[in-house]
Amino acid sequence: DIQMTQSPSSLSASVGDRVTITCRTSQNIIRYLNWYQQKPGEAPTLLIYGASSLQSGVPSRFSGSGSGTQFTLTISSLQPEDFATYFCQQFHSSPRTFGQGTKVEIK
Amino acid sequence: QVQLVQSGAEVKKPGASVTVSCKASGYTFTDYYIHWVRQAPGQGLEWMAWIQPTSGATNSAQKFQGRVTLTRDTSISTVYMEFSRLKSDDTAIYFCTRSYGAGSYRGWFDPWGQGTLVTVSS
Repeated sequence: DIQMTQSPSSLSASVGDRVTITCRTSQNIIRYLNWYQQKPGEAPTLLIYGASSLQSGVPSRFSGSGSGTQFTLTISSLQPEDFATYFCQQFHSSPRTFGQGTKVEIK
Repeated sequence: QVQLVQSGAEVKKPGASVTVSCKASGYTFTDYYIHWVRQAPGQGLEWMAWIQPTSGATNSAQKFQGRVTLTRDTSISTVYMEFSRLKSDDTAIYFCTRSYGAGSYRGWFDPWGQGTLVTVSS
């Protein structure tokens, strides 16, 4: 199975901050990487697919980049509604695997 | 709009089975795979299995093989997940979600059902 390692596991940030989350994979997954946001008590929602494509309806302050084994999710200016947990997920190989999550908290 | 609506919470004893349903609406049911992903309390996400609604073909993660069974009723756009021989560490929220492809073609999950809490306790 492809191992997914996110960092950091949690972070504290203020509204307006630029936030970057990293996802590393144990194998080259080209660009088959998605990012999801999950708020407490809710289901995950898709933010970014194929490493850098913004899902329809997702604010443009979210962006994704990377290829191979290293990927990043960036929030350019953190908003109050962005405090949540973020997961990366690969769809290069079965079984599809997720990172352990990064919790973004209010500073 | 595209929606996946799951059945309600369940409480089961160890060794029992549970069936969770996922009803799709707002799109052509047979055009998309349905997947099941679980999340133990305070933990991350774990992919379990998928079903292709047209053919009924299924695939599951090795750790769940022999315990998870997916079926579908195309007449009511509903997928069922039966999970057997439950253990206490199967306590989790179980989500259904869809993808266009099973592999690397358009393989992202969107949208997700609201989740079903399955509690396994004696």
